[in-house]
Amino acid sequence: DVKVTQSSRYLVKRTGEKVFLECVQDMDHENMFWYRQDPGLGLRLIYFSYDVKMKEKGDIPEGYSVSREKKERFSLILESASTNQTSMYLCASSPRWTGPTGELFFGEGSRLTVL
Amino acid sequence: EDQVTQSPEALRLQEGESSSLNCSYTVSGLRGLFWYRQDPGKGPEFLFTLYSAGEEKEKERLKATLTKKESFLHITAPKPEDSATYLCAVQAVNTGFQKLVFGTGTRLLVSP
Repeated sequence: DVKVTQSSRYLVKRTGEKVFLECVQDMDHENMFWYRQDPGLGLRLIYFSYDVKMKEKGDIPEGYSVSREKKERFSLILESASTNQTSMYLCASSPRWTGPTGELFFGEGSRLTVL
Repeated sequence: EDQVTQSPEALRLQEGESSSLNCSYTVSGLRGLFWYRQDPGKGPEFLFTLYSAGEEKEKERLKATLTKKESFLHITAPKPEDSATYLCAVQAVNTGFQKLVFGTGTRLLVSP
C-alpha cells in the first residue's frame, strides 16, 4: 500500500514562528503536493513538485515555501506563521504516469494552530 | 475559472435509506472527475475516477455517475460506517499536471 506520512498530526505555534511541515512517501512517486483544507473552502493547492528540487506554485502560495531535496520528502515551510495560516495541511503524492485512475494518495494531515 | 459545487452540505440518513450526493462542475474541458471519502481527522481516500459523460463506477454500496455538467454519488442501503465527508474534484484537460479543483464536500451521517 502507498503510504504518505506527515510528521506531525497536531502543532501549536505562535505568530512569527518558523514552521516546518514534513511529508514522506514510500512509493517512489515523482509528484508531491501540499494542500490546505478549511471549512467552507475545500482543499486548495499551495505548492507542488514534479521532481527533486523542482517546485511550482499552486493557487495560494503566499506566505509559504517548499523544499524537495530528496524524491521521497516534501517539506512545507511557513517562514513567519500568522493566525490566518491556522488550518489542516494535507500532503499528497502520485506517480508521474498516473495510470487509469489519476488518483492522488493523501497523508493523514497536520492540523496547525497559530496563536 | 474551473469550479465545483457540492450539494447538500450535510445529509443525515437512516440506515438502509438510499440517497444521492450531487457534484456540479464547470471546467474548460474535463480530463477527469474524482470522488474521495474523508473520515474526521484523516486525509481523503480515493474512491472513483470518471472520464466521460455516461460513465458509471461502482464500489460496494456506492455508485458514481457522470453527465456533462454534474456527477452523482448514489448510496444504496447505507450503513453507519458510510458516515464520512465525500469530496468531489475535477481536473481540466489544459492542466499539465494533476491539479485538482475540489468542492467543499458533503458530510454524510448514517444513523443506525
